[in-house]
Amino acid sequence: GAVVSQHPSRVICKSGTSVKIECRSLDFQATTMFWYRQFPKQSLMLMATSNEGSKATYEQGVEKDKFLINHASLTLSTLTVTSAHPEDSSFYICSALLAGGYNEQFFGPGTRLTVL
Amino acid sequence: EDQVTQSPEALRLQEGESSSLNCSYTVSGLRGLFWYRQDPGKGPEFLFTLYSAGEEKEKERLKATLTKKESFLHITAPKPEDSATYLCAQGGSEKLVFGKGTKLTVNP
Repeated sequence: GAVVSQHPSRVICKSGTSVKIECRSLDFQATTMFWYRQFPKQSLMLMATSNEGSKATYEQGVEKDKFLINHASLTLSTLTVTSAHPEDSSFYICSALLAGGYNEQFFGPGTRLTVL
Repeated sequence: EDQVTQSPEALRLQEGESSSLNCSYTVSGLRGLFWYRQDPGKGPEFLFTLYSAGEEKEKERLKATLTKKESFLHITAPKPEDSATYLCAQGGSEKLVFGKGTKLTVNP
């Protein structure tokens, strides 16, 4: 149980284009999902908290107009990187909150974004 | 500000050589202490949640313990497949605060 998927696993795009990444909780409903990015040899940095049916909450320093988050259902959150630039190249990982108990977060497999 | 510090940054063991990883936290009102395993190029895999001082949890060769100030991940007789980065995080229903991780390498 508690499986989270992400799509795509890898994406290469040209500078200036937009890229959408999907995060799905496969066997549980998640009112809250999180988006992280991870640079090589560094730990996870939280970008934003996504709540179903409401606006996402962004961490300080994260541009909300650049990283658009939509949590349209209890099993799907999307992250769109708009007008991507090479500095946006990173490993993006989502997690879904399994509510109740200790509120563990379960992570997706990640999406490697490369912007040329 | 909540902080999570992991040590050592990297650890090399021979197969079968038991050891422990440390995670110390400075949090008022702990809302869960989480351990994850992360393999290169993959998302973190959930291992354990600890909530109360004195609590212990085990899974195969791994055992996690919690005190009021720190948590330990004990690895007994590790195998090469245990090689990974182990992440510790503090949090709960709000955001997780991650440590920088311990990269474990187990040589055959």
